[in-house]
Amino acid sequence: AQRVTQPEKLLSVFKGAPVELKCNYSYSGSPELFWYVQYSRQRLQLLLRHISRESIKGFTADLNKGETSFHLKKPFAQEEDSAMYYCALLRSQGNLIFGKGTKLSVKP
Amino acid sequence: DAGVIQSPRHEVTEMGQEVTLRCKPISGHNSLFWYRQTMMRGLELLIYFNNNVPIDDSGMPEDRFSAKMPNASFSTLKIQPSEPRDSAVYFCASSLTGNTIYFGEGSWLTVV
Repeated sequence: AQRVTQPEKLLSVFKGAPVELKCNYSYSGSPELFWYVQYSRQRLQLLLRHISRESIKGFTADLNKGETSFHLKKPFAQEEDSAMYYCALLRSQGNLIFGKGTKLSVKP
Repeated sequence: DAGVIQSPRHEVTEMGQEVTLRCKPISGHNSLFWYRQTMMRGLELLIYFNNNVPIDDSGMPEDRFSAKMPNASFSTLKIQPSEPRDSAVYFCASSLTGNTIYFGEGSWLTVV
């Protein structure tokens, strides 16, 4: 079955602390994975796409096929990083499957 | 490009009324998606069009929901009759098939 799992509903850290948002997937083919971010009452915005291997707003994510994971990391969290983060898998049919999302709260 | 445009942004309606949500995808995109977001269920795909043809509507909850894409620049999602449990944020999204999917700002529906 194709599935994306984000085990944490809420992650709360202090400003300047490292952040890791977990994402595991289940997919029989070669996965294409994304992280989307949703700030309060706004649209979902693409944060990262694994094939581009870039760092956006200090966030990085590495695809680990052995562990079927695509965790999102940032070494030093900022208050403006507070948002909902969704991990998503692109199916061969062309649509995205989303995890349930993790709410990141960065405290001052 | 203005991005994916959805209307209305907010709608409050009474149970039993018909609701029509509208979407204009990004020009040149050939895939269009309708997602529903709720606290309980997160983001769910309702229906997916490719080149204006519905490819996967398995996520449409029941016959009260219908979606159309009469041309490449317009789609509607209709709920008739609406029920309180339909209250959610409905997102439209578009892409060039296989590429990054871009989302609209959502239509916030409340059925009372």
